[in-house]
Amino acid sequence: GAGVSQSPSNKVTEKGKDVELRCDPISGHTALYWYRQSLGQGLEFLIYFQGNSAPDKSGLPSDRFSAERTGGSVSTLTIQRTQQEDSAVYLCASSFDLLDIQYFGAGTRLSVL
Amino acid sequence: ELKVEQNPLFLSMQEGKNYTIYCNYSTTSDRLYWYRQDPGKSLESLFVLLSNGAVKQEGRLMASLDTKARLSTLHITAAVHDLSATYFCARGLSNAGGTSYGKLTFGQGTILTVHP
Repeated sequence: GAGVSQSPSNKVTEKGKDVELRCDPISGHTALYWYRQSLGQGLEFLIYFQGNSAPDKSGLPSDRFSAERTGGSVSTLTIQRTQQEDSAVYLCASSFDLLDIQYFGAGTRLSVL
Repeated sequence: ELKVEQNPLFLSMQEGKNYTIYCNYSTTSDRLYWYRQDPGKSLESLFVLLSNGAVKQEGRLMASLDTKARLSTLHITAAVHDLSATYFCARGLSNAGGTSYGKLTFGQGTILTVHP
């Protein structure tokens, strides 16, 4: 079956622009997660969604970051007024429930010039 | 503060040798994950360890969990080149009042290189 799908795979943007990153989870998975991977900070949790519960946003680094999940499926991570320190690989994962293994997508490599 | 620390961060091995990667975490957890990442690729799940004393094996890799010592190990037996990758451990919460179940805290990663 299809795995977690992320788009775009690469995104180059100018400082100050807004970007949207998309994640399509595995069908039937109720939980969806966003992580960020960078050389300086390693793998960091950003946010997760579980069913109809309020998302856990505790990992979002600033109010420039937001995410939504529509219809319990596809999620979009939005970064407003991008900064150079936002450059990283943004990874999406999904799982059947919050205690299950998290399956990761290939990531979106964001470069802010 | 939640911390997950791996040791070593870099590991160069000869084919056929054995070695162990260590993963220490700072607060109680009964869920410990091991992932593998190849260069330019995403994370692939290797093991989930759910209780004290849990041991899981797949091929040349064996993972164990000691919740009292807050330590997990990933043992490599008779290494082969195909095992070259970065290995991450990650700690999850299983009982946090329903507010933090899904949040994984990752170690720094161990870059493993297996030489002929």
